Amino acid sequence: GAGVSQSPSNKVTEKGKDVELRCDPISGHTALYWYRQRLGQGLEFLIYFQGNSAPDKSGLPSDRFSAERTGESVSTLTIQRTQQEDSAVYLCADPLWGQTMGIDGYTFGSGTRLTVV
Amino acid sequence: GQNIDQPTEMTATEGAIVQINCTYQTSGFNGLFWYQQHAGEAPTFLSYNVLDGLEEKGRFSSFLSRSKGYSYLLLKELQMKDSASYLCAVRVRPMLTFGGGTRLMVKP
Repeated sequence: GAGVSQSPSNKVTEKGKDVELRCDPISGHTALYWYRQRLGQGLEFLIYFQGNSAPDKSGLPSDRFSAERTGESVSTLTIQRTQQEDSAVYLCADPLWGQTMGIDGYTFGSGTRLTVV
Repeated sequence: GQNIDQPTEMTATEGAIVQINCTYQTSGFNGLFWYQQHAGEAPTFLSYNVLDGLEEKGRFSSFLSRSKGYSYLLLKELQMKDSASYLCAVRVRPMLTFGGGTRLMVKP
């Protein structure tokens, strides 16, 4: 596609339930990032995919968080046994023009606003 | 570790000039980015600096001093639509690490 798509745009879930968030990156781009943004705060890096290389999971806050991506396709971020502190906007990012070291930074999806009640 | 600091909030008047500062201490440096984020929306790219000096793009300019670990974003001729959060981000190969953002309120 022409841009980065995320779904759902909003998700309200009960504490303890599992949720799955989806990101459709720009077609043909090999790099993909997930970030989290709590209300009024900056973006926290979660995980980075680059092609078929092992993902960089250094930002995942706990083992309740996991993400998958096969090749250059859709990525899913899964949060198990959700807690209230997981409430945030989850953003997917794709380097513009597919260049992780390019001068244009990222293009972001519109995010999934997760609320754990 | 990575540390990126910027003021939490700023207020300025329509038509004026405002400078938003960002200081950073990172293990590595491959460029500094500024993003604009309106409430409830995703961040959008504003500017990029990798060498020292000033980059100008219309009403927006961004400055970098690598030796000082310092950048600023300069917004001229402020408009009401410039009310937003401004995020400073440093690329440490190949990730961007973000500051907490500066919320700018433009008043008439």
